[in-house]
Amino acid sequence: EVQLLESGGGLVQPGGSLRLSCAASGFTFSSYAMSWVRQAPGKGLEWVSAISGSGGSTYYTDSVKGRFTISRDNSKNTLYLQMNSLRAEDTAVYYCAKGPRMTTPSYFDYWGQGTLVTVSS
Amino acid sequence: EIVLTQSPGTLSLSPGERATLSCRASQSVSSSYLAWYQQKPGQAPRLLIYGASSRATGIPDRFSGSGSGTDFTLTISRLEPEDFAVYYCQQYGSSQTFGQGTKVEIK
Repeated sequence: EVQLLESGGGLVQPGGSLRLSCAASGFTFSSYAMSWVRQAPGKGLEWVSAISGSGGSTYYTDSVKGRFTISRDNSKNTLYLQMNSLRAEDTAVYYCAKGPRMTTPSYFDYWGQGTLVTVSS
Repeated sequence: EIVLTQSPGTLSLSPGERATLSCRASQSVSSSYLAWYQQKPGQAPRLLIYGASSRATGIPDRFSGSGSGTDFTLTISRLEPEDFAVYYCQQYGSSQTFGQGTKVEIK
């Protein structure tokens, strides 16, 4: 059974940093691209970042370029999102999502339950 | 960036009725790389349809997807009580973007 478990969310001040983690199990982690998708309170879904199965290719939505870094450790079956220079508009539930193949872009066949990031003073 | 516009914003229907949800793209979605998701309050999204018309594993056949180019449709043939939720379309032909969602509520 595929499982994705996010952690690392919390309350952070504007300009601060946070690192999210997503522990994966139930599939061969290195064979699949992974993404982070966020949802601001009461709003829709927004794709944030993606990484290929090998980790060699990364992609970002324009609003987070230069501030967020996606990475993965295939030996630990874990996906990360390092978030720096956080802004109030980054407040959202952040979901870890699995793609159906090694490359991206793609749809997302499995999702974690999400971790809430709140940026506020 | 491909912008997806979903309509209507809210659909008020009764159990047993047919639901038709629309997703229109600002430019053609290559190879019908269009997916649909269902999201219930407090839950993560669930994949329903990919490739515009292929049902994901375990999805009941009352859910069907159609369309190509810039116009796509999700149809729920007969609404069950558990189908009342928010539905999102997503294109993955050029990067990936989501529509703003359609809420299907009980009339």
